[in-house]
Amino acid sequence: DTAVSQTPKYLVTQMGNDKSIKCEQNLGHDTMYWYKQDSKKFLKIMFSYNNKELIINETVPNRFSPKSPDKAHLNLHINSLELGDSAVYFCASKGLGTSGFSYEQYFGPGTRLTVT
Amino acid sequence: GENVEQHPSTLSVQEGDSAVIKCTYSDSASNYFPWYKQELGKRPQLIIDIRSNVGEKKDQRIAVTLNKTAKHFSLHITETQPEDSAVYFCAASEEGGSEKLVFGKGTKLTVNP
Repeated sequence: DTAVSQTPKYLVTQMGNDKSIKCEQNLGHDTMYWYKQDSKKFLKIMFSYNNKELIINETVPNRFSPKSPDKAHLNLHINSLELGDSAVYFCASKGLGTSGFSYEQYFGPGTRLTVT
Repeated sequence: GENVEQHPSTLSVQEGDSAVIKCTYSDSASNYFPWYKQELGKRPQLIIDIRSNVGEKKDQRIAVTLNKTAKHFSLHITETQPEDSAVYFCAASEEGGSEKLVFGKGTKLTVNP
């Protein structure tokens, strides 16, 4: 049973289009994140939500808009896509790990976005 | 804000040898230091973490050490196996504070059989 899932897995689109990526977690976690991994594999946080409330918003262009309809879902909408938006986008959620003693982040499988 | 430096960027070892990856952080408020392993085309997965109230933690062939004074932490993998080949990321965050994980740029580890 997938803990953190994302759709779609691959997304190929043209410059100027608007697209969305969906994320769902069934772990009961309160906190969810979006990360961007560029072609050099650098992982950088974009947004974080805690119980549907935005708590971290890095210096991301306002073409990127996260939406959290409930604490199990965090979607990412991107307007007017640009070539530089091509990357792998990972959703993650944070909660008690398997040990039950500490909090851990669990990543989704990623969405590879290619803008042509 | 926090800045995490990771070295080396690539590391090649023979099967059975040990591998060490080092990271430094800048923000003394950081108190949580996880390590993630990312295989090609897969998601990052947590392999071990350490909090600032301990200096070392072990889990089978993997260990992490933390020097708070010097603001550096290291990942040690002993008896490496080909399946250890992956990109490893260190990260730092302030639990109870910003809670933002800042990642190092990754180390590509290749274990040659």
